[in-house]
Amino acid sequence: GESVGLHLPTLSVQEGDNSIINCAYSNSASDYFIWYKQESGKGPQFIIDIRSNMDKRQGQRVTVLLNKTVKHLSLQIAATQPGDSAVYFCAEAADGNKLVFGAGTILRVKS
Amino acid sequence: DTGVSQDPRHKITKRGQNVTFRCDPISEHNRLYWYRQTLGQGPEFLTYFQNEAQLEKSRLLSDRFSAERPKGSFSTLEIQRTEQGDSAMYLCASSLRDSGAFFGQGTRLTVV
Repeated sequence: GESVGLHLPTLSVQEGDNSIINCAYSNSASDYFIWYKQESGKGPQFIIDIRSNMDKRQGQRVTVLLNKTVKHLSLQIAATQPGDSAVYFCAEAADGNKLVFGAGTILRVKS
Repeated sequence: DTGVSQDPRHKITKRGQNVTFRCDPISEHNRLYWYRQTLGQGPEFLTYFQNEAQLEKSRLLSDRFSAERPKGSFSTLEIQRTEQGDSAMYLCASSLRDSGAFFGQGTRLTVV
């Protein structure tokens, strides 16, 4: 189903530390996953994606890990910066169909 | 700017009025999505198009909502007889099939 939840979990990290944001997805048929970053008042920004034939994908300072066995997705951000502070959403899609979003996690970076 | 463009960015309307939003996708993208987002929640799927064909419409969407993409390029989302519960951010995204969706900045609707 579509995203639910009024109270987003919050992750607080010190600037320079690594961040790990987790997401449990719901549909075992999902074969495509995306992480988005959303700053206040803006639309979601594409960060990185991964398909189900992979278990790890790296970008610039970000790594996405996929564990299909337990339907778990994580986003790792290396050397977290104040500009990384935002709400992070995972999204899933099955067989080229619509993207369904998870509930989101607030990342707060302390200087 | 070649990203997804939405217009207007903000809309305040009185309850009972009709509103229409426009989305211009990235030009080569054949898929266009509409989502709605309220404070503290993730984007909620409304509907999506592949070219001009509307492939799916959320069963949560009332008959007051209608979307079109007449030439497979820009899209409009109309809400008739707006209610206070319609107040939200309306997000548009576009993609190629089987690839990441890129979002616009959204239209914030306030129904008073």
